[in-house]
Amino acid sequence: DSGVTQTPKHLITATGQRVTLRCSPRSGDLSVYWYQQSLDQGLQFLIQYYNGEERAKGNILERFSAQQFPDLHSELNLSSLELGDSALYFCASNLGGGLGTEAFFGQGTRLTVV
Amino acid sequence: AQKITQTQPGMFVQEKEAVTLDCTYDTSDQSYGLFWYKQPSSGEMIFLIYQGSYDEQNATEGRYSLNFQKARKSANLVISASQLGDSAMYFCAMRGYSGGGADGLTFGKGTHLIIQP
Repeated sequence: DSGVTQTPKHLITATGQRVTLRCSPRSGDLSVYWYQQSLDQGLQFLIQYYNGEERAKGNILERFSAQQFPDLHSELNLSSLELGDSALYFCASNLGGGLGTEAFFGQGTRLTVV
Repeated sequence: AQKITQTQPGMFVQEKEAVTLDCTYDTSDQSYGLFWYKQPSSGEMIFLIYQGSYDEQNATEGRYSLNFQKARKSANLVISASQLGDSAMYFCAMRGYSGGGADGLTFGKGTHLIIQP
């Protein structure tokens, strides 16, 4: 158990809908990362938050947004969903800062858009 | 921009043999970190080993070692004495710096390793 909790584990929704994925980082970790894993694109970094502030952006679509709350949990909001958004979404956390700081991954949320 | 290339989509290896999984990378950053993760069929991502760009010695963690050749921009993972439980997807990844600090990980496409008894 990595200590990172993601909910829900599975989500099935229709095209055009909006969903929210939730992540609770490991106790004490200030940094949260979101990744998307799909068959087409592989594992892609979406966005990083550090202590409530956005720190880095990767290949995140404009239809997607995220935030990190004062209690350090994070939410990834996906809107106007398309079939191609079906993927495994990971949250990872670490203390933040150093290059070598290992990121601990949650179990992922598997999103299926039908 | 950073790029990770894993050229072996799949590998079959006999149990107890050593395995080398290839990884080459490209970056313009002077400082960067290289990681290997394991993803079993259950889906979770498990950290295996880390190598910093300025580390002079190759990293080792138990049965895992990282063969780091900076001039060739390669960071191959070596698993000694493979076990059936090593069957999984293996991802090479790197992290550099963006404006605010260390960035998210850039992953390769992975190698599917199957250990045969």
